[in-house]
Amino acid sequence: AQKITQTQPGMFVQEKEAVTLDCTYDTSDQSYGLFWYKQPSSGEMIFLIYQGSYDEQNATEGRYSLNFQKARKSANLVISASQLGDSAMYFCAMREGYGGSQGNLIFGKGTKLSVKP
Amino acid sequence: DSGVTQTPKHLITATGQRVTLRCSPRSGDLSVYWYQQSLDQGLQFLIQYYNGEERAKGNILERFSAQQFPDLHSELNLSSLELGDSALYFCASSVTPLAGGGGNEQFFGPGTRLTVL
Repeated sequence: AQKITQTQPGMFVQEKEAVTLDCTYDTSDQSYGLFWYKQPSSGEMIFLIYQGSYDEQNATEGRYSLNFQKARKSANLVISASQLGDSAMYFCAMREGYGGSQGNLIFGKGTKLSVKP
Repeated sequence: DSGVTQTPKHLITATGQRVTLRCSPRSGDLSVYWYQQSLDQGLQFLIQYYNGEERAKGNILERFSAQQFPDLHSELNLSSLELGDSALYFCASSVTPLAGGGGNEQFFGPGTRLTVL
């Protein structure tokens, strides 16, 4: 069964420093997608970044990058130059299948990131 | 703003009652997903509709049902409510991605916070 593991319940980072949030996954499928979402205290889920299993380059979106190591089944999120507004819960998620009309997400338990001024 | 709308934002009701949560997907998105977020279970997939048809089911209770209408909006019906149904209910939408990638993101609405007393 597919599974997402986030081993860091909470993390602290100093403002302007970089931080890495860990995510490992388990799937028997060759084709899958990996996602990171941010959930601030207000509750909404904000899409950050996506990585497909066949993508050769690591995904980047502004200050967010995804360190994808397929052999290790890890998809860590790197946030550069942390800002106070980055304080939130961060969820790693996986969807099996590449494209198509199905594709619900399986989520990890999340990591609570706190940025210190 | 993700473009996905959900109403109501908050809902307080009593055990045994029935409620309906409404979701309008982003313009052009054919797939709608419902997720439940609770402290006990985390974020769980409930059900997916694609262009009006049920496409996938997750951990959805028999007391819960959903449908997607011709205008692509979706409703999640929760009946015989129990205290444990108190949670944040998210709707997400996505396009049907073409083979090879694109349109993989799922965009979440702001959620409906259900409190069962």
